[in-house]
Amino acid sequence: KNEVEQSPQNLTAQEGEFITINCSYSVGISALHWLQQHPGGGIVSLFMLSSGKKKHGRLIATINIQEKHSSLHITASHPRDSAVYICAVWAQGAQKLVFGQGTRLTINP
Amino acid sequence: DTAVSQTPKYLVTQMGNDKSIKCEQNLGHDTMYWYKQDSKKFLKIMFSYNNKELIINETVPNRFSPKSPDKAHLNLHINSLELGDSAVYFCASSQFAGSNNSPLHFGNGTRLTVT
Repeated sequence: KNEVEQSPQNLTAQEGEFITINCSYSVGISALHWLQQHPGGGIVSLFMLSSGKKKHGRLIATINIQEKHSSLHITASHPRDSAVYICAVWAQGAQKLVFGQGTRLTINP
Repeated sequence: DTAVSQTPKYLVTQMGNDKSIKCEQNLGHDTMYWYKQDSKKFLKIMFSYNNKELIINETVPNRFSPKSPDKAHLNLHINSLELGDSAVYFCASSQFAGSNNSPLHFGNGTRLTVT
């Protein structure tokens, strides 16, 4: 079993819907990243967090360290949000990111 | 200005050949990485360099040899290419390794196809 598990693996929704993508991890971490990979292939860092909540535009990321769980929310989703969203963690004491398998999000107009 | 640039974007070659992928970052970061993304889109660390020194070699076959001539460049040379090497390879950089205050910047990826 991977140290970082995401759910769902695939998600299809209609434009305007509220989206939640979940990430659970099994190791102690120093930071958690949410990344976005568009169909063109490029990867963009959306958030890096170690506690609490961060917001950027329509995107919100939360993390619960005790429960080893993070969520990425998208409000008022739009077709341009269609992408693969990847959760990754810096394990404590490690010098590498461990990645989840990604969640493929499709927003239909 | 592109922050992390890697070339080429596409690379098609035959088994047994030797090829290189180049990566440069203009962010002044100390740490650079090579990641491999397989056909299921799963990303995995291959190498990490901090200030030109190797800090992670994630049990990658020794046909893969990273070279960091300076802290702004991390190139990946692959000898005797095999079919299983077909993947997308991403270069990335961050100011510090492992810090919780050091976001990653990725290049656009190099899609390697070995025939």
